[in-house]
Amino acid sequence: DAGVIQSPRHEVTEMGQEVTLRCKPISGHNSLFWYRQTMMRGLELLIYFNNNVPIDDSGMPEDRFSAKMPNASFSTLKIQPSEPRDSAVYFCASSLVRQTPPNTDTQYFGPGTRLTVL
Amino acid sequence: TQLLEQSPQFLSIQEGENLTVYCNSSSVFSSLQWYRQEPGEGPVLLVTVVTGGEVKKLKRLTFQFGDARKDSSLHITAAQPGDTGLYLCAVTQGGSEKLVFGKGTKLTVNP
Repeated sequence: DAGVIQSPRHEVTEMGQEVTLRCKPISGHNSLFWYRQTMMRGLELLIYFNNNVPIDDSGMPEDRFSAKMPNASFSTLKIQPSEPRDSAVYFCASSLVRQTPPNTDTQYFGPGTRLTVL
Repeated sequence: TQLLEQSPQFLSIQEGENLTVYCNSSSVFSSLQWYRQEPGEGPVLLVTVVTGGEVKKLKRLTFQFGDARKDSSLHITAAQPGDTGLYLCAVTQGGSEKLVFGKGTKLTVNP
């Protein structure tokens, strides 16, 4: 079975440009997560969706970042306008949440998109 | 202040050596997960520990959850170059699905 698919794998852009990252979660999973990883801050959750609905976007750094999940098979993370400090690896992950405590559901990560903003 | 403190930050050892890495917090958690991330890839779940004092083994890897459920350790016996990677611990907050990660321990096992 295919895992989480992310595209592109690498993106180099210039400051001020719009960047769109894409994610296809594992079929049947009901939760999707967007993370950002940098050396300084580690792996941080930006936003997550459950059944295509955004549940927690408190990690989204500022209004330049937006995320959508129009259906169960696709999500995008958009940065407009991009800035050099947005350079990082962005991961998408998905899980099947069974809503039983304690929360031990497995998140499956994609390979990431390495974003460089010049 | 980081919720999860991992130590050491970097560790470079020779093949065949044993090692232990730590994940500490002042908070109590209902569960804790360990992930391994290889270069150029996303993290992969190794184990979830739930009960205070619990010990789980995965081949040469031994995971322990502290009695008070505030900390955890990962011990690797006879490390191999294939164990090289970034080891991350993670917990959920507030009963949600939201995972918070430590900054990780970057392990290098030299042949």
